[in-house]
Amino acid sequence: EDKVVQSPLSLVVHEGDTVTLNCSYEVTNFRSLLWYKQEKKAPTFLFMLTSSGIEKKSGRLSSILDKKELFSILNITATQTGDSAIYLCAVNSNYQLIWGAGTKLIIKP
Amino acid sequence: GAGVSQSPRYKVAKRGQDVALRCDPISGHVSLFWYQQALGQGPEFLTYFQNEAQLDKSGLPSDRFFAERPEGSVSTLKIQRTQQEDSAVYLCASSASGDTGELFFGEGSRLTVL
Repeated sequence: EDKVVQSPLSLVVHEGDTVTLNCSYEVTNFRSLLWYKQEKKAPTFLFMLTSSGIEKKSGRLSSILDKKELFSILNITATQTGDSAIYLCAVNSNYQLIWGAGTKLIIKP
Repeated sequence: GAGVSQSPRYKVAKRGQDVALRCDPISGHVSLFWYQQALGQGPEFLTYFQNEAQLDKSGLPSDRFFAERPEGSVSTLKIQRTQQEDSAVYLCASSASGDTGELFFGEGSRLTVL
């Protein structure tokens, strides 16, 4: 059965800290891995990763994929209170997205 | 439109009522997905359209759930004889390609069944 597991399920840090969120997967036909940020509304797209070892960066966020060990990490440096959200990882297997349960990140001022 | 639009944003239904949720995807997007998201969980796949063709409806939880996209643009998710366990946020997402590359989500329709 395809599955995506995220860890930790929740994380509380102080503003300015660096966090690393984890996503591991087991799917039958991997095409890509996607990270989304979800606040109160719908998930918003962060990154799509298809190749191992190539870091994607957007401001203070970065992500990398390891297709051999079947995981990805999302790093956020110099966290801000606006980074508080649920971060969702999803793996594209054929045309379906298999979703993790998310990591709830809380940034304290 | 500029983004994926869903309506209604909030719907309260009495158990046994039928509801219809609308999704207006980004113009020209080929793929359209419906997800159900319970509180504190990731989205659960319901069904997938490529243009007007419903390619996968394996995630629909029962035969009370029905989705259509007759002209390959706007889609409607219909839930008949609603039950309390149907209470959730129903998310619609669209993608420009016939694949789940970058999905653009609507803000969801929150259904509460009393």
